[in-house]
Amino acid sequence: QKEVEQDPGPLSVPEGAIVSLNCTYSNSAFQYFMWYRQYSRKGPELLMYTYSSGNKEDGRFTAQVDKSSKYISLFIRDSQPSDSATYLCAMRAGGTSYGKLTFGQGTILTVHP
Amino acid sequence: NAGVTQTPKFRILKIGQSMTLQCAQDMNHNYMYWYRQDPGMGLKLIYYSVGAGITDKGEVPNGYNVSRSTTEDFPLRLELAAPSQTSVYFCASSYGGTGIDELFFGEGSRLTVL
Repeated sequence: QKEVEQDPGPLSVPEGAIVSLNCTYSNSAFQYFMWYRQYSRKGPELLMYTYSSGNKEDGRFTAQVDKSSKYISLFIRDSQPSDSATYLCAMRAGGTSYGKLTFGQGTILTVHP
Repeated sequence: NAGVTQTPKFRILKIGQSMTLQCAQDMNHNYMYWYRQDPGMGLKLIYYSVGAGITDKGEVPNGYNVSRSTTEDFPLRLELAAPSQTSVYFCASSYGGTGIDELFFGEGSRLTVL
């Protein structure tokens, strides 16, 4: 069983749709949860992050973490063609594991006009 | 600031050849990393460094070597290239403090081993 599972998609939605991206994980030590966005032929960039359980909102993006279910989500409201990218969930344990992230497989999202 | 710069962007190697992927950062970050990304597999950590002169293995270190003689540079050496090393390689850096510790990635080096 992989430590982090993410549906690779691809996911294709019309402009304006609400998008839900999800990851499950098995390692109870994970405390920091991130979403990276990767445009084609580019490196990943940090989009959202949360610590422990709860919700965090930033504009059209909402990140949710449910540690009891070992499940994290990223919601995109009013999706735009510029949101078309690969979305990678990433997580790490606490302590001194800085930057040693465990990534999901990535979900390819296309938002068509 | 250029951020994280990787060279070359593309390279084709023959089986058994060796090469070095270069990585440099100008953000004065303590921590640097090499990840590889294969289709449908996410990113896997190859090696990382917490400062000049200090390196350690990640999840998939076999077939690779690294060195960190300066804060800015973190080259990745491939010895005796194999088809299984065909991948996109990303170098990243971070400050290394507590909390989220955002990773800043380069644009990647695409390597094909034939």
